[in-house]
Amino acid sequence: KNEVEQSPQNLTAQEGEFITINCSYSVGISALHWLQQHPGGGIVSLFMLSSGKKKHGRLIATINIQEKHSSLHITASHPRDSAVYICAAHQGGGADGLTFGKGTHLIIQP
Amino acid sequence: KAGVTQTPRYLIKTRGQQVTLSCSPISGHRSVSWYQQTPGQGLQFLFEYFSETQRNKGNFPGRFSGRQFSNSRSEMNVSTLELGDSALYLCASSSPGQFEQYFGPGTRLTVT
Repeated sequence: KNEVEQSPQNLTAQEGEFITINCSYSVGISALHWLQQHPGGGIVSLFMLSSGKKKHGRLIATINIQEKHSSLHITASHPRDSAVYICAAHQGGGADGLTFGKGTHLIIQP
Repeated sequence: KAGVTQTPRYLIKTRGQQVTLSCSPISGHRSVSWYQQTPGQGLQFLFEYFSETQRNKGNFPGRFSGRQFSNSRSEMNVSTLELGDSALYLCASSSPGQFEQYFGPGTRLTVT
């Protein structure tokens, strides 16, 4: 079974700061997902990546397959980025192959 | 395109009762997955349906069941509710051949 660890668990930063959230997993995967969950519960899929780097607006996700590690970066952070960020490792197959991290609770103060 | 919808959004039940939650996927999506989210355990996979067939099931007791209809809408049922079943229940859909999950807003179930 894959073990997925995220760090930090909680992060408070000032508006404009560069944010990094880390995710490591124990078993080889076919894809790594980054999810965003706002208060109220709704989850948005930010990235699904299996190698290299992806960028969407101020968000950047990277993955190092050899080191079994992924990072989510937020540039020029804004209070609306405040949310819980969850990584999920997919070992292939269907949804049963997903193992979720416990999440990083990010607060961006104005 | 409309997103994934879940009903009801909030539910309060008492121990021993049963509950049915509903999920309507994005139009054209045939795969629906259900997840339970609690503060202690985080997100956990419940089951996955594709074309009215259960493809996979997570490590949950038999009190948790589900089904999918011909229009891809899905329901999950929890019988003999326990306090520990209080959670946010999320469903997600994906399009054929793709695994990217599109999540609904969730149903928050409170068992008293």
